[in-house]
Amino acid sequence: DSGVTQTPKHLITATGQRVTLRCSPRSGDLSVYWYQQSLDQGLQFLIQYYNGEERAKGNILERFSAQQFPDLHSELNLSSLELGDSALYFCASSPQGTYYGYTFGSGTRLTVV
Amino acid sequence: KNEVEQSPQNLTAQEGEFITINCSYSVGISALHWLQQHPGGGIVSLFMLSSGKKKHGRLIATINIQEKHSSLHITASHPRDSAVYICAVNPGGGADGLTFGKGTHLIIQP
Repeated sequence: DSGVTQTPKHLITATGQRVTLRCSPRSGDLSVYWYQQSLDQGLQFLIQYYNGEERAKGNILERFSAQQFPDLHSELNLSSLELGDSALYFCASSPQGTYYGYTFGSGTRLTVV
Repeated sequence: KNEVEQSPQNLTAQEGEFITINCSYSVGISALHWLQQHPGGGIVSLFMLSSGKKKHGRLIATINIQEKHSSLHITASHPRDSAVYICAVNPGGGADGLTFGKGTHLIIQP
């Protein structure tokens, strides 16, 4: 157990639907990162939150959004889902930034049918 | 062209062999990371480097900032080392999200 908890582990949904992925960071970590891993694109950085505020944005689609709550857990919302959104979605947390070390969760496997 | 290039893409070796995986990057960075991903999908951080060399058990990571190149070495390889090894960089300029290579799929045969 890495200390970073992601739920659910697996999710199957239909095109056009909306889903929410949840991440609880390791105790004491203020920064949360979301990454997408697909077969064709590999791992890509989506977005980072630090202590409730958006810190950096990567290749996140407009149909996707995220937030970090006062208890530091984070949610990634994916809407108007397309087949191409099928991927592994990882959350990682760090005390501050990745330069200070970070830990990955075990991921949520999303399948859009 | 990818900002982070890894080679080889696939590597099969016999148990006990010395393994080298290479990573080249084309952007300025504040740090470089080596990650390990097992077939179950979980990702583990192995090393973070900004200069020089680091060693952990049978794993050694080096970085040459001038040449924009890093290597991951595995000594006395073992079947349990079979995994995908991924190089990732923190771009400079305050950006904190990682940029990843495509990974090297390593299989160590008994």
